[in-house]
Amino acid sequence: GAGVSQTPSNKVTEKGKYVELRCDPISGHTALYWYRQSLGQGPEFLIYFQGTGAADDSGLPNDRFFAVRPEGSVSTLKIQRTERGDSAVYLCASSLRGGDTEAFFGQGTRLTVV
Amino acid sequence: QKEVEQNSGPLSVPEGAIASLNCTYSDRVSQSFFWYRQYSGKSPELIMSIYSNGDKEDGRFTAQLNKASQYVSLLIRDSQPSDSATYLCAVKGRSGGYNKLIFGAGTRLAVHP
Repeated sequence: GAGVSQTPSNKVTEKGKYVELRCDPISGHTALYWYRQSLGQGPEFLIYFQGTGAADDSGLPNDRFFAVRPEGSVSTLKIQRTERGDSAVYLCASSLRGGDTEAFFGQGTRLTVV
Repeated sequence: QKEVEQNSGPLSVPEGAIASLNCTYSDRVSQSFFWYRQYSGKSPELIMSIYSNGDKEDGRFTAQLNKASQYVSLLIRDSQPSDSATYLCAVKGRSGGYNKLIFGAGTRLAVHP
């Protein structure tokens, strides 16, 4: 596609529920990143994929968070047993490859846990 | 010490003036540096990338990098009200094998007519 696409744009869920957030990167981009952004803060790194593998998951806050990218394209961020503190905008970015290449962001998914 | 530091602002400049946005980073071996613009309620948009010491110009924007001082800046010439946004500095450092983009908290720029 022309740009990074994230769905849904908005998600409201009840505390304790499970959610999945989807990211479709720019065609041909092998590197994919997930970030989380709270109001007034910069994006906070969660996980980086190179192809199908999670090359760096050091930013995942705890084991309730998990992400996959089974075919090296679309990625899904999964959050179990959601908590109110998980409320944030979840951003996905892709780049042609890792290293010094430029990363481009999708429009984000605003997650609200009530 | 935060890995990437920016003054939160707001930085207020009159229309037509030069806006100067600054960023410092802690990892001396960082290789790649990026400026993103983020309008309220929108996602970050890449403006500039810079990899070598010195200046890099693109239209009204100039990025400046000084690796010895661990300092990167963004100059916006002839500032317009449409430039009013939060500007995020991002650095790729050693952590994560130079693949992880680390962001500052951003500087809010307000350009007034």
